[in-house]
Amino acid sequence: DVKVTQSSRYLVKRTGEKVFLECVQDMDHENMFWYRQDPGLGLRLIYFSYDVKMKEKGDIPEGYSVSREKKERFSLILESASTNQTSMYLCASLDRGNTGELFFGEGSRLTVL
Amino acid sequence: AQSVTQPDIHITVSEGASLELRCNYSYGATPYLFWYVQSPGQGLQLLLKYFSGDTLVQGIKGFEAEFKRSQSSFNLRKPSVHWSDAAEYFCAVGEREYGNKLVFGAGTILRVKS
Repeated sequence: DVKVTQSSRYLVKRTGEKVFLECVQDMDHENMFWYRQDPGLGLRLIYFSYDVKMKEKGDIPEGYSVSREKKERFSLILESASTNQTSMYLCASLDRGNTGELFFGEGSRLTVL
Repeated sequence: AQSVTQPDIHITVSEGASLELRCNYSYGATPYLFWYVQSPGQGLQLLLKYFSGDTLVQGIKGFEAEFKRSQSSFNLRKPSVHWSDAAEYFCAVGEREYGNKLVFGAGTILRVKS
C-alpha cells in the first residue's frame, strides 16, 4: 500500500514563526502536492512538484514556499506564519503511471496564535 | 479554468435510506472525475474515479457514480446508507496530462441518523 506520512499531526505556532511541514511518500512517485483545507472551501492547491527540485505554484501560493530535495520528501514552509494560515494542510502523492490516483496523508492541523 | 460545485453543504439521511450527492463541474475537455471521502481526523480516501468508457462507475463501500456529459454532472449514489458512511465527501476534477492537479469542490457533510 502507498503510504504518505505527514510527520506533524498538530502544531501550534506563534505569529511570525517559521514553520516546516514535512511529507514523505514511499512509492517513488514523481508528483507531489500540498493542499490547504478550510471549511466550506474544500481543498485548495498551494504548490506541487513533478520532480526533485522542480516546483510550481498552485492556486494560493502566497505566504508559502516548498522544498523537494529528495524524491520521497516534499516540504511546505511558512516563512513567517500568520493567523490566517491557521488551517488543515494535506500532502498528496500521485500514482501517475498506473491508477491516476492521488494518495493523501492524514493532514497537519496548524494553529497560529 | 476548471471548477467544481457541490451544491449541498450538509445532507442528513436515515440509515438504510438511499443517498445521492450532487457534483457539477466546469471543464472544456473530457474531464477526469473523482469522489473522495474524508472521515473525521483522517486524510482523503478515493471512492471511485471516471477516466473514460462506461459512464456508470462502481467504487468501494458500495458507492457508484454516473458521468453525464450533457449535464456536466458526476453524482455519487448509494442504495442503502450505513451509519459508518457519515463523513465529508469531495468531488474533484483533473487533467491527467498535467499531472492531475485536482480541483476540489467545497465538500458535502453527510450525517446519518438511526
